[in-house]
Amino acid sequence: DGGITQSPKYLFRKEGQNVTLSCEQNLNHDAMYWYRQDPGQGLRLIYYSQIVNDFQKGDIAEGYSVSREKKESFPLTVTSAQKNPTAFYLCASSINRGGGYTFGSGTRLTVV
Amino acid sequence: KQEVTQIPAALSVPEGENLVLNCSFTDSAIYNLQWFRQDPGKGLTSLLLIQSSQREQTSGRLNASLDKSSGRSTLYIAASQPGDSATYLCAVIDNNDMRFGAGTRLTVKP
Repeated sequence: DGGITQSPKYLFRKEGQNVTLSCEQNLNHDAMYWYRQDPGQGLRLIYYSQIVNDFQKGDIAEGYSVSREKKESFPLTVTSAQKNPTAFYLCASSINRGGGYTFGSGTRLTVV
Repeated sequence: KQEVTQIPAALSVPEGENLVLNCSFTDSAIYNLQWFRQDPGKGLTSLLLIQSSQREQTSGRLNASLDKSSGRSTLYIAASQPGDSATYLCAVIDNNDMRFGAGTRLTVKP
């Protein structure tokens, strides 16, 4: 079955540590996205990519970095510069910018 | 900047009731509108996708309507069941990206 796989499901980060969240899709979608979800708030866009080797900042890109070396993969790195990283992170993809989105099951990141 | 609002924030109904969830958006220049369901601690499951040229979409007990000119969409759930309990999110895609409402948390009591 086609879909989006996010790993790990739970991730714990120590202060000052960089961590990378994985997102893989086999839907042959061109566009991929990373969102952050905090309790009581809507989803906020971190980064998006419309094609391989190209990506754009979203509303809250500070403290995050991404890469898009393959069409199927769009990993997100949460750097030590992100001061409040504890949140639920969701990856999504769409066939193009105006198409419907498919979401992964999410990664819950906690700072310890 | 597109803003999406969902009303009510929370809703509790007895099983079997028909219900309507509301979504409004500020900029009518959208490509499409998508309704999602989210269970606690889970990702988003797409329920219905309405293209900007469409007025409504139906899937089983769900019906979503779109009125671009007034910046509104409704999600109608017929004969609600306890398994429908979840948070329902409305999202619009415009020229920039997908914007989400904060969601309506639905509880259907047996």
